[in-house]
Amino acid sequence: GQNIDQPTEMTATEGAIVQINCTYQTSGFNGLFWYQQHAGEAPTFLSYNVLDGLEEKGRFSSFLSRSKGYSYLLLKELQMKDSASYLCAAMDSNYQLIWGAGTKLIIKP
Amino acid sequence: EADIYQTPRYLVIGTGKKITLECSQTMGHDKMYWYQQDPGMELHLIHYSYGVNSTEKGDLSSESTVSRIRTEHFPLTLESARPSHTSQYLCASSAGGEVTEAFFGQGTRLTVV
Repeated sequence: GQNIDQPTEMTATEGAIVQINCTYQTSGFNGLFWYQQHAGEAPTFLSYNVLDGLEEKGRFSSFLSRSKGYSYLLLKELQMKDSASYLCAAMDSNYQLIWGAGTKLIIKP
Repeated sequence: EADIYQTPRYLVIGTGKKITLECSQTMGHDKMYWYQQDPGMELHLIHYSYGVNSTEKGDLSSESTVSRIRTEHFPLTLESARPSHTSQYLCASSAGGEVTEAFFGQGTRLTVV
């Protein structure tokens, strides 16, 4: 079956760095998305990886290893506004997104 | 900024009622989606459309219907609401092409009593 695993909740300190991991199993693979979702709001797109390696975008970076079925989202210089859920989603061979349950990130001062 | 709108934002309705959740986008996107999301859980695809007069069923489609008469409009109808339908419903759209990011509406939080 198709499956996405990511930690349920993580806590980090303002100004620090946090890495949110995601492992996936899909029928075929057409890339890995990360979305941010603040409580009560819509998910918003953060990043897309289809090739192995690290993609950097400001304070946020995303890494993919296709051979390991693994991705992570790296958040640097954490700010209080980064408190949110981070959703990992893999695109299967039919170009459908398989979603993880999200990782709730709590930032403490 | 994404221009995709859902109405209503919140709805409390009695069991057995028929309801339609509205979703409109002004970006000219061909693809549109309906997802159901419970707190702390993954998004489940209910229905999707790749263009006008095209609709497909997702994982949780059996108790709802959709239509796509116009590109910008993709309403979701529950024929007979049940307490098990209580959830957050998210509409999304994406541009043509196989791999494009999805833009989400603010969601409709439905409570069936």
